[in-house]
Amino acid sequence: DIQMTQSPSTLSASVGDRVTITCRASQSVSVSLAWYQQKPGKAPKFLIYKASSLESGVPSRFSGSGSGTEFTLAISSLQPDDFATYYCQQYNTYPWTFGQGTKVEIK
Amino acid sequence: EVQLVESGGGVVRPGGSLRLSCAASGFTFDDYGMSWVRQAPGKGLEWVSGIHWNDGSAGYADSVKGRFTISRDNAKNSLYLQMNSLRAEDTALYHCARWGAKRGWSGVDYWGQGTLVTVSS
Repeated sequence: DIQMTQSPSTLSASVGDRVTITCRASQSVSVSLAWYQQKPGKAPKFLIYKASSLESGVPSRFSGSGSGTEFTLAISSLQPDDFATYYCQQYNTYPWTFGQGTKVEIK
Repeated sequence: EVQLVESGGGVVRPGGSLRLSCAASGFTFDDYGMSWVRQAPGKGLEWVSGIHWNDGSAGYADSVKGRFTISRDNAKNSLYLQMNSLRAEDTALYHCARWGAKRGWSGVDYWGQGTLVTVSS
């Protein structure tokens, strides 16, 4: 199985900061990588697919990059609505797998 | 509007079985692959299983392989998860989820609100 490892596990930041979250795969997933945002008590929200394609309706301050085994989610200017937990997921090979999550907290 | 509504969760004893259902609406069901994703209380997301939009091919997490079976009825716009030999560690909120690409592989763009499965004696 492909293991997905996110770093950091927790990130403390202020409104307006640029933040980046890294996701590493134990073997290549090409660009078959998605990112999600989840808030407490809610279903996840689809942010990015194919490593760098922004889902419709997602603010342009979110961006994704990478291929193969290393990927990054960046938020260019953190907004109050962005404090949440973020997950990466590979869909290149069954079984699909998620990273363990990165919680973005208010500093 | 895309809607995914799960049902069938509940409390079951270890070793027992449950069948989850997901009623889909607002899109052409047989154009999309579907998945089940679960989340144990206070934990992260775990992909459970996925099924191709029309050929029935499926994949499973190692933690459920041989115990869970995913299926779909495109005529009824419905997705199912048959769960056998349930264990305490299967306790979670189970989400029905749609793949984000029409007739293609993708992450999940729509999620149901979930149905809670509790395995306890």
